[in-house]
Parts: sequence; C-alpha cells; structure tokens
Amino acid sequence: AQRVTQPEKLLSVFKGAPVELKCNYSYSGSPELFWYVQYSRQRLQLLLRHISRESIKGFTADLNKGETSFHLKKPFAQEEDSAMYYCAPPIGNTDKLIFGTGTRLQVFP
Amino acid sequence: DGGITQSPKYLFRKEGQNVTLSCEQNLNHDAMYWYRQDPGQGLRLIYYSQIVNDFQKGDIAEGYSVSREKKESFPLTVTSAQKNPTAFYLCASSSLGAGVAKNIQYFGAGTRLSVL
Repeated sequence: AQRVTQPEKLLSVFKGAPVELKCNYSYSGSPELFWYVQYSRQRLQLLLRHISRESIKGFTADLNKGETSFHLKKPFAQEEDSAMYYCAPPIGNTDKLIFGTGTRLQVFP
Repeated sequence: DGGITQSPKYLFRKEGQNVTLSCEQNLNHDAMYWYRQDPGQGLRLIYYSQIVNDFQKGDIAEGYSVSREKKESFPLTVTSAQKNPTAFYLCASSSLGAGVAKNIQYFGAGTRLSVL
C-alpha cells in the first residue's frame, strides 16, 4: 500500500533559523506531490506542489526520487510560518490524496 | 463568498443517534471528499465522490454514509454504528481531469463532532 511518512510531529525553531520539514513516500513512478498548510483558525490550504517548481512564502520542496523524499525547506523561518504542515502525494494515478500525519512547526521570536 | 461551506461548525451527538454533516460547494467541482482528522493521525479518507449519484468508500468508511444527489452537495451521516465519532471532519472538493488544477483539493472550515 502506498505510504507517506512525516517523521517529526513537532519542529521548533527560532525566527531566522532554517527549517526543513521531512516527507518520505513509497511510490513507484513520478508522483505529483503536494504540501498543504493549516494556520491557526484557518482552513487547510495548498502551500505548494512539486510540478509548479515555485517558491511560496519562501518555501521550496525538491523531489528526490532516489530517496523518495519531498522535504519542505525555508532558509529563514518567520513567526507567521507557525502552522501544521501536511505532505500529500496522490494515490496512484487517481485524484485522491494520501495525507501524512503532519508536522507542527513552531517558530519562536 | 465562493468555496466550500460546512455546517454546523460544532455538533453534539447522543448515543444511538445518527447525525448529518453538511458540505456545499459552489466551485463547480466534480469531486468531493470527506476526511476525518484526529490528533496525531493526519487526515483519513472516509468517502469520496467523483460524479453525482456515485461515491466510493475510503479507508475508514465503516459507521458512515454519504449521498451525492447534487453536484454541489455531499452530506455525511455519522451513524450509531460509528463507536468513536468524536473528531474534526473536513470536506474537500477538486476539479477532475488533467491540467494545473488536477489533484488540488479545496477544504471547508470543518465540523467538530462530540459525543454527549
């Protein structure tokens, strides 16, 4: 069965520190991977997707097929980045997504 | 205000009672989804529907039922058979097919269900 793993439940950093939220998946092929974010008292929303290869709010994510990873990175964390982050690859070639268990990022001033 | 609307925001269920959570979207999306969110477990798929009058079970469908009589609406019923219904329920929708919108899901604000 396809799986996605986010090994860290909680990641705490100080403002200005680099951040890396890990995501590993089990899938053979070229998955379209997503990162979703849920800020406090807001809806779960798309942060970025692999296919776009863009930086959103300073975050980037590189697909490493060899390591089957799609880690989310930001060189300098900001307090407003504090949120719950979910990695979500699609299930096979369907429109369904499988969500990781999430990583809570806390950025302290 | 466009998007996905879930109601109510909070819901309480008595033992043996069925309750229905509402989900409406005006995004003209074909696909709709119901997830259950529990602390430390991420989002788990309950049911999904790609077209009116058709839906499929997700990973944790037992104790739940859905209907899709209209494209805009995908209500979820939590039946008395669901022994541990206390959770946060999220509804989502997406546009099917190829292109940049593929697989992007848009979420409602959620319904928090508690058992009395």
